Amino acid sequence: QKEVEQNSGPLSVPEGAIASLNCTYSDRGSQSFFWYRQYSGKSPELIMFIYSNGDKEDGRFTAQLNKASQYVSLLIRDSQPSDSATYLCAVNPDDKIIFGKGTRLHILP
Amino acid sequence: EAGVAQSPRYKIIEKRQSVAFWCNPISGHATLYWYQQILGQGPKLLIQFQNNGVVDDSQLPKDRFSAERLKGVDSTLKIQPAKLEDSAVYLCASTSQIRETQYFGPGTRLLVL
Repeated sequence: QKEVEQNSGPLSVPEGAIASLNCTYSDRGSQSFFWYRQYSGKSPELIMFIYSNGDKEDGRFTAQLNKASQYVSLLIRDSQPSDSATYLCAVNPDDKIIFGKGTRLHILP
Repeated sequence: EAGVAQSPRYKIIEKRQSVAFWCNPISGHATLYWYQQILGQGPKLLIQFQNNGVVDDSQLPKDRFSAERLKGVDSTLKIQPAKLEDSAVYLCASTSQIRETQYFGPGTRLLVL
């Protein structure tokens, strides 16, 4: 059973601080990794994708991938109240995309 | 560029009734996915189409769920008969190629009473 694990939270972070979201996956053959943001009552929207080991930065967001440890993370710098949402990690083994259950992030004003 | 369209947006039915959902993917996107998202959980893949062929339907409850994409463009997902546990949001997504970014539609919220 190929799995993607995330802490469900809620993760509470003060406004302006760094939010760190983590995800582990079971299939070593996974090649593509995605972070989606989902506001309550809305559909998931892509924030970042990463294919290679290391860091990938886009504005306030940084995705980190460590294939040896089967671990991918998302850092959000200068957290804003509008970042409060559920963050879904998705992994792409065998031409399928498997989602984790998501981590609820709450930015405290 | 128009996004993924879905209808209806909301549906309330009684158990044992049937229901159908429609999805029109982004123009030119060959791959179409149907997901079920139960409250508090991540999306669960029900079926994946590549053009009008099925790539993966291993998690589709085939005794009650069916899906088709006859012309390789829009798709319908049907539930017959519905059960209480089918209450969820049904999301449609599309990509231009397998492994690329998925774009989600607004979803259909189904409540089975």
